[in-house]
Amino acid sequence: GAVVSQHPSRVICKSGTSVKIECRSLDFQATTMFWYRQFPKQSLMLMATSNEGSKATYEQGVEKDKFLINHASLTLSTLTVTSAHPEDSSFYICSAFDVRSYEQYFGPGTRLTVT
Amino acid sequence: DQQVKQNSPSLSVQEGRISILNCDYTNSMFDYFLWYKKYPAEGPTFLISISSIKDKNEDGRFTVFLNKSAKHLSLHIVPSQPGDSAVYFCAASARSGGSNYKLTFGKGTLLTVNP
Repeated sequence: GAVVSQHPSRVICKSGTSVKIECRSLDFQATTMFWYRQFPKQSLMLMATSNEGSKATYEQGVEKDKFLINHASLTLSTLTVTSAHPEDSSFYICSAFDVRSYEQYFGPGTRLTVT
Repeated sequence: DQQVKQNSPSLSVQEGRISILNCDYTNSMFDYFLWYKKYPAEGPTFLISISSIKDKNEDGRFTVFLNKSAKHLSLHIVPSQPGDSAVYFCAASARSGGSNYKLTFGKGTLLTVNP
């Protein structure tokens, strides 16, 4: 089956620092990956669509300069939360689109806590 | 405005009985629907999907029903097992007319199956 990993699984950082989260498709190539954010007891909110070799497409209301996305290879996309603040604390989940099945497969998520 | 709605935040069912999870949508462009299962601090796991050209899709204990005229879908789990206890998310996408595979999620329903 299609496996997606995320690293780190949880991270605590100080306000004002930047944090990078990696999303990898382990057994398939993904030209498209997605980044979501989930608040407690809330839905998964799509933040951006990451396309290999091109700029990410951000959803309305998501600051592209704050949430930097890089999709440098067919198996890796990174999300960097720049100048993090406590309100950025959340559960960040990525998914990778598998063209073999036309389905999205999700990573295990990253819990970010900004102190 | 929420385009995918799961109006029941929680559902409790006895082991062996049927679990019925409901989902409504408002966007008539949605033509592909999915159900995901999610445990706390983990990414969603794909369960079952249905295209708008069908009204039913079955996979083992899981069956999804789609009523396009009512913009309503439901997930039936029978027989329910304690291991089914998790949050279930309904998701929708508008696949026709392009390569847009973005997912819009509902807020989820917490299913508890009691032994």
